[in-house]
Amino acid sequence: SAVISQKPSRDICQRGTSLTIQCQVDSQVTMMFWYRQQPGQSLTLIATANQGSEATYESGFVIDKFPISRPNLTFSTLTVSNMSPEDSSIYLCSVSAGQANTEAFFGQGTRLTVV
Amino acid sequence: AQSVTQLDSQVPVFEEAPVELRCNYSSSVSVYLFWYVQYPNQGLQLLLKYLSGSTLVKSINGFEAEFNKSQTSFHLRKPSVHISDTAEYFCAVRGNTGGFKTIFGAGTRLFVKA
Repeated sequence: SAVISQKPSRDICQRGTSLTIQCQVDSQVTMMFWYRQQPGQSLTLIATANQGSEATYESGFVIDKFPISRPNLTFSTLTVSNMSPEDSSIYLCSVSAGQANTEAFFGQGTRLTVV
Repeated sequence: AQSVTQLDSQVPVFEEAPVELRCNYSSSVSVYLFWYVQYPNQGLQLLLKYLSGSTLVKSINGFEAEFNKSQTSFHLRKPSVHISDTAEYFCAVRGNTGGFKTIFGAGTRLFVKA
């Protein structure tokens, strides 16, 4: 299994500013994933972050808006840039671990409100 | 690429009644399948998973799901629900090759009434 810590757990931000979310894992993992869960909706994958390479973004998400860093095998950050109220969501960090890396483990999430 | 369809957005049910939450998936490769549960104001928790072998998988709190390859389904069932089962349930799929990313369905809100 994997234990994931995310910081901050919640924040209220002014539109036009940026917020960086940190994700720390208690073991080394190859891939880390960032998801967004908008109010009342399911999880949408933003990007996959591999150590030592650029993140791979899903359709509809771009690096300028959601830059990601992955400096080592236990840590990643997601920045939400130039925020607008539409960015108000829960942002979740996830890793694949367990048997043959088949299982997704999640942090508790960062609840972001943009005003 | 994979996709997941959860056929019911909300399922209201009385306490001690049986329930089935439906999930269908689409994939060009073999898959791993998961059900996650999200209780109000809490994070995601893995409920059960199918990786290989027996097509019927069970959780510790009485839920079970059956992988049906021909119907590309992975429906979640419980013979008798409790008030405490009220939560959002997400079906998820991951291809067993390639990028390890997990794709989620839209979720089904199970509401158990007294």
